[in-house]
Amino acid sequence: EDKVVQSPLSLVVHEGDTVTLNCSYEVTNFRSLLWYKQEKKAPTFLFMLTSSGIEKKSGRLSSILDKKELFSILNITATQTGDSAIYLCAVEADRGSTLGRLYFGRGTQLTVWP
Amino acid sequence: EAGVAQSPRYKIIEKRQSVAFWCNPISGHATLYWYQQILGQGPKLLIQFQNNGVVDDSQLPKDRFSAERLKGVDSTLKIQPAKLEDSAVYLCASSLLRGSSYNSPLHFGNGTRLTVT
Repeated sequence: EDKVVQSPLSLVVHEGDTVTLNCSYEVTNFRSLLWYKQEKKAPTFLFMLTSSGIEKKSGRLSSILDKKELFSILNITATQTGDSAIYLCAVEADRGSTLGRLYFGRGTQLTVWP
Repeated sequence: EAGVAQSPRYKIIEKRQSVAFWCNPISGHATLYWYQQILGQGPKLLIQFQNNGVVDDSQLPKDRFSAERLKGVDSTLKIQPAKLEDSAVYLCASSLLRGSSYNSPLHFGNGTRLTVT
């Protein structure tokens, strides 16, 4: 059965700390891995990763994928209280057509204290 | 660009009642998804439409859940009759063209929080 596992499930840090969120996966016919940030409302898109070893960056956030070891990490440097959210990892599996299915992990609940 | 619109935001019903949710995707997005997110878990795909056709409903509990996307734009998701375990946030998402996140990521609506008592 396809599976996406995130760790830790929750994390509490102080402003200014650097955090690393983990996502490992076992998915048949991997296509891409995506990170989303979910505050109280809709998940918002952060990154999409398809190739190993290529870091994606957006401000203080960065992510990288290892397709050999089947995992990805999301780094957040100099955390701020506004980074408090659930971070969701999703993996797209190729189902033999152009329409992949997304498998989500349970998420990491990040809390940043001032 | 207007986002994915969903209504209602909240709904409380008793078990065995029926309920319907509505979704209007981003203009031009051919693919529409309904996800169920139970508290403490990641979203789980219920059904995926490409235009007005169903391309994946393998995880939809068809004895009680139904969905349609007439005219390939708006969609409704219905539960009849509801059970306690249906309490969750129901998220609608859309994406461009073929619907694969390889081409474009999913854009989510704010969801409908359903409580079944």
